[in-house]
This record gives sequence, structure tokens and C-alpha cells, in this order.
Amino acid sequence: NAGVTQTPKFQVLKTGQSMTLQCAQDMNHNSMYWYRQDPGMGLRLIYYSASEGTTDKGEVPNGYNVSRLNKREFSLRLESAAPSQTSVYFCASSPKNIQYFGAGTRLSVL
Amino acid sequence: QQQVKQSPQSLIVQKGGISIINCAYENTAFDYFPWYQQFPGKGPALLIAIRPDVSEKKEGRFTISFNKSAKQFSLHIMDSQPGDSATYFCAASGGSGGYQKVTFGTGTKLQVIP
Repeated sequence: NAGVTQTPKFQVLKTGQSMTLQCAQDMNHNSMYWYRQDPGMGLRLIYYSASEGTTDKGEVPNGYNVSRLNKREFSLRLESAAPSQTSVYFCASSPKNIQYFGAGTRLSVL
Repeated sequence: QQQVKQSPQSLIVQKGGISIINCAYENTAFDYFPWYQQFPGKGPALLIAIRPDVSEKKEGRFTISFNKSAKQFSLHIMDSQPGDSATYFCAASGGSGGYQKVTFGTGTKLQVIP
């Protein structure tokens, strides 16, 4: 029973490098989300996808892009990483009210 | 604009004591109020949730108290245990159809000392 799987778990980037964070869920949920978690700031929504084929900006979308590849997969791309993007990134999926989170990706941008 | 305010930021409680975390919201369209528990190195997980048509919900040692008129809700952990040491997030959600917009509080780091 995998739930929400995120890869990679850890990543170190240099400023200006690009990378894609992968997320997959096996619970047949329509909605998927990307959050970043920073100390003292809680969970801030980057992008979300209410259903397959749709994506929308959240609270802090600048510097990120997303792709809802199919119902299972929702990826987050950093085109040109900046030190301000050092954070822990969480993917979540939801059938309606309850959010199910992955274990997170810890990203450092040097 | 922070729509859900959570306090305190950190909390230290003796084993066996009561832990209390408070949240306040602004948007009256919210209709579901969950609490999430997060252990170090893990993602948040649903702990307990309440809808605004009830004033209290209890699950084991965890209780949510809800005050609709004051737009406040709180989590009470009775007989706190060292295993309860974690970060707790309150949240509020609402929306039509299958999509729920969720707003999280900033989190409370709870430490229960023996």
C-alpha cells in the first residue's frame, strides 16, 4: 500500500541548475498538490491539480512549473534553481477533504 | 494573507499533562477543519477533523473544540506522552465539487518531556 510516493528523497543543486521532482499516487484521487515547508511558515501551496488535465497556481508559484502527466502522476519542475528554493517539498493527493502526503523531498540549492 | 492563525509556535509539556494548540480562521466559507500530525522526516498525516456543525469531537486522547461564532478551534491532547512529540498543523478547507482549497496554519512543535 504505497499511497503517495515522491522521488528523490534528497537533492543538492547548484544555483541555475534545473530538476524535476516526481510524485505518484495509487489511491485513484482526482486532486493533487505540491507544497513547500519552511521553518515557521507552515505548508505553502505551490501548485495544484483539481483533476487530470488541469493545473492552477497556489500561493507561491514563482520559479516553478508543474505537469499532471496522468491521474497518478504530478511533477514539479524547477527551471533555474535559486537558493530561496531550498526547502522541503511535499506532494499530496486528496479525494476531497483529507490530504494524503508523501514523505517529502529535501532540496538544497547552493 | 494568512487565513489560519495558529499558536503557540512551540510547546513543552510534561508527560501526563494536557497539550493545547489554538487556531483561528477568517474565511466563513471553510467547512472542514482537520488537524495533521508530522513526525521528523515524515509527511503530515491526518490526526482528527471536525465540521462546523458540531462543537466537539473526541478520538481517544485527542479532542477538537470548535467555536463557530468566534471562528476558533483548538486541539487538546490529554495525558500527553513522549510519543506525541511532533509538529501539529491545523487546517481549514472548503470548496465545491471534488476540489477542496486547504489553508494550513504555521504549525506547533510539541515536545513532551518525561
